[in-house]
Amino acid sequence: GENVEQHPSTLSVQEGDSAVIKCTYSDSASNYFPWYKQELGKRPQLIIDIRSNVGEKKDQRIAVTLNKTAKHFSLHITETQPEDSAVYFCAARKAQGAQKLVFGQGTRLTINP
Amino acid sequence: DTAVSQTPKYLVTQMGNDKSIKCEQNLGHDTMYWYKQDSKKFLKIMFSYNNKELIINETVPNRFSPKSPDKAHLNLHINSLELGDSAVYFCASSPSNDRWAFFGQGTRLTVV
Repeated sequence: GENVEQHPSTLSVQEGDSAVIKCTYSDSASNYFPWYKQELGKRPQLIIDIRSNVGEKKDQRIAVTLNKTAKHFSLHITETQPEDSAVYFCAARKAQGAQKLVFGQGTRLTINP
Repeated sequence: DTAVSQTPKYLVTQMGNDKSIKCEQNLGHDTMYWYKQDSKKFLKIMFSYNNKELIINETVPNRFSPKSPDKAHLNLHINSLELGDSAVYFCASSPSNDRWAFFGQGTRLTVV
């Protein structure tokens, strides 16, 4: 089955700097890759996603890149702000077969003022 | 409007008890899920239903039994609760024509 590895497990950056979180997946049939943000005590919320027919997608300060050949994808947050502090999860999903999101282990991002 | 609603939000119970968590979505989605988030924050799928039909049943003890009376509801019943069942349980739903999932607010289950 699909396996998603996420790194780093914790990340601390200065406010205003950029943060990058990386994920690799094992199943080449996966073609949908969302990123979720989970604040303390809250539900995971979708912040951006990318499909396998696209190499990069951007939404204001966040962007996601996908390398299908290498089977890895990354989340980039620029001009970080204190409210970006949260746990971030990557996930992967196949188009065919069992419809489930397989999540990475999560990255706890802390933005230092 | 709450899109995916779970009840209760908190549940504290003794070992050996039987408890249920309810989930309802008003998004018109066809697929619903139960995920378990352990103390290390790892999110793992337990079950998935599509139009009331079970389509995913991961390696979960048979003390856990999901029930979907209609496509807007997916409940989770747990028998003979154990200490290791303590976790946050998230319900989620997806539309049939897309792959993103919308999560409920979670139910924090504590078994003492």
